[in-house]
Amino acid sequence: NAGVTQTPKFQVLKTGQSMTLQCAQDMNHEYMSWYRQDPGMGLRLIHYSVGAGITDQGEVPNGYNVSRSTTEDFPLRLLSAAPSQTSVYFCASSYSNRGGNGYTFGSGTRLTVV
Amino acid sequence: AQRVTQPEKLLSVFKGAPVELKCNYSYSGSPELFWYVQYSRQRLQLLLRHISRESIKGFTADLNKGETSFHLKKPFAQEEDSAMYYCALHLYNFNKFYFGSGTKLNVKP
Repeated sequence: NAGVTQTPKFQVLKTGQSMTLQCAQDMNHEYMSWYRQDPGMGLRLIHYSVGAGITDQGEVPNGYNVSRSTTEDFPLRLLSAAPSQTSVYFCASSYSNRGGNGYTFGSGTRLTVV
Repeated sequence: AQRVTQPEKLLSVFKGAPVELKCNYSYSGSPELFWYVQYSRQRLQLLLRHISRESIKGFTADLNKGETSFHLKKPFAQEEDSAMYYCALHLYNFNKFYFGSGTKLNVKP
């Protein structure tokens, strides 16, 4: 049981490049989310999904796309990277829409856009 | 609108001193509240849930609906408690977690 796995751990992009941050969970969790963590701003929700085939926007969705073709995977795509997207990105999943045991977080992807 | 407020960005205490990390929330319904901890360069981990009324690593948190607060407390801080702490509110109807901006706890020897 690996939990929530994020790849890559580190990435440097040039402005305008695109890339996909991968997130996979093996706990059969229905709910998955992407957050970005910036100093002094805590965690901000980018996109989330309540199940395969269903996604919705969070607080800061601009510049990012997601899809949820399977229960296990929830990739985050940066369409055209900008320096403002330099951040640490966390993927998280939970079993149900009740807070319950809360989120299980991945180890994060540290992204730098130059 | 800010749903979760953690007023202190940084809290420094000496080892053995009591510590209280403040969290206030904005929600008129029945909230589900959590505390998460993030040790240096690690992933966030669930520390406490208000529904379980548990004590983890000596930390406790009580939901005060009248003051809309969920402060995290520990009577005797340890150096290994140094970390970033996030308060989170889960809204069932919106299927979302809202996180506060975090408080960095620094426990000095």
